[in-house]
Amino acid sequence: ETGVTQTPRHLVMGMTNKKSLKCEQHLGHNAMYWYKQSAKKPLELMFVYSLEERVENNSVPSRFSPECPNSSHLFLHLHTLQPEDSALYLCASSQDWSSGNTIYFGEGSWLTVV
Amino acid sequence: AQSVTQLDSQVPVFEEAPVELRCNYSSSVSVYLFWYVQYPNQGLQLLLKYLSGSTLVKGINGFEAEFNKSQTSFHLRKPSVHISDTAEYFCAVVNTGTASKLTFGTGTRLQVTL
Repeated sequence: ETGVTQTPRHLVMGMTNKKSLKCEQHLGHNAMYWYKQSAKKPLELMFVYSLEERVENNSVPSRFSPECPNSSHLFLHLHTLQPEDSALYLCASSQDWSSGNTIYFGEGSWLTVV
Repeated sequence: AQSVTQLDSQVPVFEEAPVELRCNYSSSVSVYLFWYVQYPNQGLQLLLKYLSGSTLVKGINGFEAEFNKSQTSFHLRKPSVHISDTAEYFCAVVNTGTASKLTFGTGTRLQVTL
């Protein structure tokens, strides 16, 4: 079992659908992250939660809505997405939000918007 | 703001040959540096990181990297690669004393063949 688990691994959705990505970390960490990975582009930090409080929203469109109900779980709610939103979405966690900490990644959720 | 440049998008190499993956960064303040590896259909995994101390950092799977402040580089090396090292390698940087907002490079695809 990996330290950070993401479901579903693959998701295909229409532009009018509402879906959610789920992430769970089993490492006892206090910070959780959503990253977007697109082909030939650097990983983009989307959101950061520290102690269940959102501390970073990196100019992400409102069609992406994160939720952190507790320190172990993180969701990304998806609504009226565009085809350019198709990408690998990576959840990650770290001990806390300080810069020297190792960030542990999940295996990602492949999202295709049709 | 910091930035990372990985000049080589792909590096082909024969098994048991040495390899160097290049990473250069730009920042006006002190930084921490990381190398992550992404195997096919998996998330990112930390190979090694430089926080302070010795500029030669050893990581997992026989990889090492050297921090060169004057050249603002953090190149990754392995003296003898294996087929299983085939993966995408990402260099990342973050300013010290700040929150964990890593800036990633675009990645280098290491392709090891017989």
